[in-house]
Amino acid sequence: QVQLQESGPGLVKPSQTLSLTCTVSGDFSSNGFFYWSWVRQPAGKGLEWIGRVSSSGGTDYNPSLNSRVSMSVDTSKNQLSLKLTSVTAADTAVYYCARDSGFWSPHSLSNYYYYYMDVWGTGTTVTVSS
Amino acid sequence: DIQMTQSPSSLSASVGDRVTITCRASQGINTFLNWYQKKPGKAPKVLVYAASSLQSGVPSRFNGSGSGTEFTLTISSLQPEDFATYYCQQSYGHPPWTFGQGTKVEIK
Repeated sequence: QVQLQESGPGLVKPSQTLSLTCTVSGDFSSNGFFYWSWVRQPAGKGLEWIGRVSSSGGTDYNPSLNSRVSMSVDTSKNQLSLKLTSVTAADTAVYYCARDSGFWSPHSLSNYYYYYMDVWGTGTTVTVSS
Repeated sequence: DIQMTQSPSSLSASVGDRVTITCRASQGINTFLNWYQKKPGKAPKVLVYAASSLQSGVPSRFNGSGSGTEFTLTISSLQPEDFATYYCQQSYGHPPWTFGQGTKVEIK
């Protein structure tokens, strides 16, 4: 049973870098096709996908944040990391890490893998304020 | 990026009601569509993946359907624990993944 737990500073000053860690308990590099996503939700707003990292370190980012975001993985520690630079008040949100599970099905009649976020951390609140 | 639009943005319903939420994609996404339930202070929970596959442990009153650009999530008989916000999310092809703006289901 995989469990995820986010951690990091709850308060970050404007223009500084937000750094979060997600610790994965359980099978980190198990059989299966997994990525690890980060998603955030500002208070009173919807969910926003930030990006994802594979166990081998490959990344995909949301273009709206692409120039400010970086993600990495440390398989020796079963940890993922998220860094977001030059933060503003608009980056204040609850940040979640999630397992993005993939599978292929012939029913799709395509070569694409299905992905869905099936395991989530509890979330960590980050406030950007001086 | 693929834009996802949900309707309605909110609805009021009673326990036992049948509830339908619609999600439309800005381009065809085959069946690469997931549904999540979000309660305040809790992490999102996947209900349906690949448009119509029920996630393990999710009650059978939840049903997803659709393909291409139009999708629906139906709750056949609304239960007290179902009052929440529901999000669709596309995972077609290559990222970025995008969510709908959410549909809040409230108690009438």
